[in-house]
Amino acid sequence: AQKITQTQPGMFVQEKEAVTLDCTYDTSDQSYGLFWYKQPSSGEMIFLIYQGSYDEQNATEGRYSLNFQKARKSANLVISASQLGDSAMYFCAMREESFNDYKLSFGAGTTVTVRA
Amino acid sequence: EAQVTQNPRYLITVTGKKLTVTCSQNMNHEYMSWYRQDPGLGLRQIYYSMNVEVTDKGDVPEGYKVSRKEKRNFPLILESPSPNQTSLYFCASSLYYREEAQNQPQHFGDGTRLSIL
Repeated sequence: AQKITQTQPGMFVQEKEAVTLDCTYDTSDQSYGLFWYKQPSSGEMIFLIYQGSYDEQNATEGRYSLNFQKARKSANLVISASQLGDSAMYFCAMREESFNDYKLSFGAGTTVTVRA
Repeated sequence: EAQVTQNPRYLITVTGKKLTVTCSQNMNHEYMSWYRQDPGLGLRQIYYSMNVEVTDKGDVPEGYKVSRKEKRNFPLILESPSPNQTSLYFCASSLYYREEAQNQPQHFGDGTRLSIL
């Protein structure tokens, strides 16, 4: 079964507007971590934001915030005030603490294109 | 500068010709891992290592080998590459044996784009 589902293959957003990228996950662990990474066209993977399953507050990092709804098993990324440099592929990933291998399970990714 | 360095960045080669992709990190991380990225599939783990001389299979290990003789290096070896191993490969590292490792992200190299003809 897919552990991470990103249902939006591609999205367009106007510059300066906010965009929400969906991510749902599947785990039976009580303790887990959720990560978002950005992959620009140059290919590197850039860490954006982390949410732990026991964190009571939604994570925020600058223009990035995570809308964490534990009961619904969703961890949506919100990018506020989009910039042209935000055009990239975005990956949601999960690490389940019951697995000592520290493996990240990734979704298929969402491509975001910011229009001027 | 803290980084994970992969080489080469790009490689085009032919079926059956052994190749090695090197990975080195300068952050004294215990944990290192290899992933491959394919369209529509995201990244999938190939092999990982929790410490020197400790390696184990990930989700898609067939056709790959790794070694961890030193803490900083974790090379990926394709003994007899085949066209279905054409992909974008990432090496990653993170803390492991420490309490603060729980919420630390994995740091990724810049990727190696491999084409097997």
